[in-house]
Amino acid sequence: DAGITQSPRHKVTETGTPVTLRCHQTENHRYMYWYRQDPGHGLRLIHYSYGVKDTDKGEVSDGYSVSRSKTEDFLLTLESATSSQTSVYFCAIGRGESYEQYFGPGTRLTVT
Amino acid sequence: AQSVAQPEDQVNVAEGNPLTVKCTYSVSGNPYLFWYVQYPNRGLQFLLKYITGDNLVKGSYGFEAEFNKSQTSFHLKKPSALVSDSALYFCAVREEVNTGFQKLVFGTGTRLLVSP
Repeated sequence: DAGITQSPRHKVTETGTPVTLRCHQTENHRYMYWYRQDPGHGLRLIHYSYGVKDTDKGEVSDGYSVSRSKTEDFLLTLESATSSQTSVYFCAIGRGESYEQYFGPGTRLTVT
Repeated sequence: AQSVAQPEDQVNVAEGNPLTVKCTYSVSGNPYLFWYVQYPNRGLQFLLKYITGDNLVKGSYGFEAEFNKSQTSFHLKKPSALVSDSALYFCAVREEVNTGFQKLVFGTGTRLLVSP
C-alpha cells in the first residue's frame, strides 16, 4: 500500500458531530488526495493537496475541510456529519512524474 | 472536462477463458489512461497506464490494455482468467487543472466475477 496508513479504519458516529480522518504517508510525496467511494459513483475527489498548507477543492467538497501541516499527514474533517456522508474514504498519494496514484486501505464511516 | 465510461456493471467469465473489461474515454488533447483493481476491503491498486507509445500496454498480474484512438477505447484484457482475478476494476483518465496539478477522474467501476 505504498506506505500509506489511514486511521481510524472504521468509525460510527452520530449526525451533527465533527469527525476527523487521518492519512499518513512515509514516502515524502508532495501530492495527496481524499476520495469517497459510493456504489454507482466510483471514486469522487473531495480535496487534494500539492504541498504543505497548499490544498484545494475537488468535485464533492461541500461539508468537508482538510489540513496539511506536515508533508506526511493529510487530515479530512467532516464539520458536522450527515447521513449522506456515510461512505468509504480513501486517501491517495501521487507520484507526479509518472501520474500514478497509490491508495491507502480506506476508512469505512457510518453516520447514524 | 475529461471523463471515462465503463458500460458494464459486471462481467462474468469462466476460469481459463479470456476476459475483457471495457472502458471508453472522452478527452481534449492526448489521453493519459489508467486501470486500477480493488479487492474486497482493500484500497485500489495500480495495474497499468497508457501515456504514449505502443497501443498495447502490459501491466501487473498478466493484464494488458489496448488503446484504440479511433474508437476512444482503452479495454482491459487478460488471455486466461483466474478465480483470483475476481474484483472491482476501475478505469481512470488524467485531468490537469489550472495550477499544473493533475488529478484522476474515475469510471464507476466494473465487477469481474470469474467462476471455477
